[in-house]
Amino acid sequence: DTAVSQTPKYLVTQMGNDKSIKCEQNLGHDTMYWYKQDSKKFLKIMFSYNNKELIINETVPNRFSPKSPDKAHLNLHINSLELGDSAVYFCASSPRTTQETQYFGPGTRLLVL
Amino acid sequence: DQQVKQNSPSLSVQEGRISILNCDYTNSMFDYFLWYKKYPAEGPTFLISISSIKDKNEDGRFTVFLNKSAKHLSLHIVPSQPGDSAVYFCAASERRGNEKLTFGTGTRLTIIP
Repeated sequence: DTAVSQTPKYLVTQMGNDKSIKCEQNLGHDTMYWYKQDSKKFLKIMFSYNNKELIINETVPNRFSPKSPDKAHLNLHINSLELGDSAVYFCASSPRTTQETQYFGPGTRLLVL
Repeated sequence: DQQVKQNSPSLSVQEGRISILNCDYTNSMFDYFLWYKKYPAEGPTFLISISSIKDKNEDGRFTVFLNKSAKHLSLHIVPSQPGDSAVYFCAASERRGNEKLTFGTGTRLTIIP
């Protein structure tokens, strides 16, 4: 009965590879997010989707492309992985009425070698 | 440019005593503030929030105080319990309902039995 789930939990890959992280929420929320927590522990928003429509797109390299097949899913695809992409990536969702109250997934720990 | 700052990376408090976690912000457009709590290997979970029209909000053992003129907020936990040991993130948004949150870097709270 996990509310926001992410797969995989851990991802170790070589530089230059392409990888995807999947996120699903069963809360019926309209808005979903991707955050990146870097080595300095900054938790920064990358993208936000509302009902499959992109509403926030922070300054993120084009190598990162979110995809929302439906409002319960928001996947993150990363092309040509670089060392600096190593981080913990969190997916989150929020209801329409209280979008500041966000429910986070457990995180995906990405290590690029 | 770090708009939300938590200057204490860690804090240790005796069980039963008061824990006080501090947060400062620089963006005067911030209007709504939240605290999230994070356990290891889990995503952050919402704890308590406060609107800029208030200077205090209380929820059980947790109280958040806001000093707008000083651009400072604090989270008080009384009495502290071992289960409160976690990383606490301060977050801010430009208005309630705004999905874009800016997070601080977190303070690791350890409650000593």
